[in-house]
Amino acid sequence: EVQLVQSGAEVKKPGESLKISCKGSGYIFTSYWIAWVRQMPGKGLEWMGIIYPGDSDTIYSPSFQGQVTISADKSISTAYLQWSSLTASDTAMYYCARRNGHNLGWYFDVWGRGTLITVSS
Amino acid sequence: QSVLTQPPSASGTPGQRVTISCSGSNSNIGSDIVNWYQHLPGTAPKLLMFSVNQRPSGVPDRFSGSKSGTSASLAISTLQSEDEADYYCAAWDGSLNGWVFGGGTKLTVL
Repeated sequence: EVQLVQSGAEVKKPGESLKISCKGSGYIFTSYWIAWVRQMPGKGLEWMGIIYPGDSDTIYSPSFQGQVTISADKSISTAYLQWSSLTASDTAMYYCARRNGHNLGWYFDVWGRGTLITVSS
Repeated sequence: QSVLTQPPSASGTPGQRVTISCSGSNSNIGSDIVNWYQHLPGTAPKLLMFSVNQRPSGVPDRFSGSKSGTSASLAISTLQSEDEADYYCAAWDGSLNGWVFGGGTKLTVL
């Protein structure tokens, strides 16, 4: 079964750092791009960026460039999303998703269940 | 403010047909495919429709998609109670060089 398993919920204080993970299984992890998507409380989905685990090529949404770092460790089929200094506005649910498709159209066909990040003093 | 515009809510009774719209621009829907995702709170979003009108395996044929110019629609015929969820359209935006989502439509089955 193809799945993405995300790390558990986190409660952090402003200014702290954090790295969450997304582990792929049931497919060739290095052959598919992995995206990160944010959902703030009561809001819609926002694409943050995407990484190709095969060579760690990464594209960031302009809205998130410089705010987060996306990385991957292909040896353990895991993608990461990290912050160096969290703020309250980072409180949200974060999803990872696998990109599938072809040059005529791409889509996110497998999603993780999400990691809830709460930042509060 | 989302790049793609969806109505915030929609509703219908069981058995009815419901349509959810998604409006964009030439840099996204007008030049690329549209995908739709179904999201029940507390669960992973689910791919519902890709490449405008293609259903992944397991998605009932009650769901259909269409696109015209810079707008797209998701139609649900014969509405069922389990269809109550949030629905998001999405597309690649060539000007922003990234994926954009609609703000989501909360579908209520009355």
